[in-house]
Amino acid sequence: GENVEQHPSTLSVQEGDSAVIKCTYSDSASNYFPWYKQELGKGPQLIIDIRSNVGEKKDQRIAVTLNKTAKHFSLHITETQPEDSAVYFCAAQASGGYQKVTFGIGTKLQVIP
Amino acid sequence: GAGVSQTPSNKVTEKGKYVELRCDPISGHTALYWYRQSLGQGPEFLIYFQGTGAADDSGLPNDRFFAVRPEGSVSTLKIQRTERGDSAVYLCASSPTSGEQYFGPGTRLTVT
Repeated sequence: GENVEQHPSTLSVQEGDSAVIKCTYSDSASNYFPWYKQELGKGPQLIIDIRSNVGEKKDQRIAVTLNKTAKHFSLHITETQPEDSAVYFCAAQASGGYQKVTFGIGTKLQVIP
Repeated sequence: GAGVSQTPSNKVTEKGKYVELRCDPISGHTALYWYRQSLGQGPEFLIYFQGTGAADDSGLPNDRFFAVRPEGSVSTLKIQRTERGDSAVYLCASSPTSGEQYFGPGTRLTVT
């Protein structure tokens, strides 16, 4: 089955700086890579996703990159704000319609004002 | 519109008891998923439904766990003879045909 590794497990940045979270996956059949933000006591919230037919996607201060050959994908947050503080999860999902999502262990991001 | 809702938000039960956790998906979403999240971990897949049938139940840890979705909308996760190791947050997600999953707030289950 799929295995998703994520690092770092914790990340502290100063407000306004950038944050980068990196993930690798093992199953070459995976072709959809969502990123979730989870605040304390809440369910994961989908913030951005990328499919294997593109290498990069951007949405305001958030961008994701995908290297399918190396099975790497990353989340980049620019101009971080205190409200970006949360746990971020990368995930991978196989093709073929509805499939289970395999999550990474999560990165706890702290943005210091 | 309304998101995925889960009830109860918290459930405390004694070891050995039976519990039911409910999920109301987003209207029109045909796929529904259950995950379990332990402290400090990512969600782990349990089961998913396409319509009324369980299309993949490979993540259910043992036969004490069972889930139903009789009318293709609301789903119930049922746990028999609960054990302390079952304590976790149980998350439900629903998905439209495009595949992205939208999660509910979860039910925190504590087995004492």
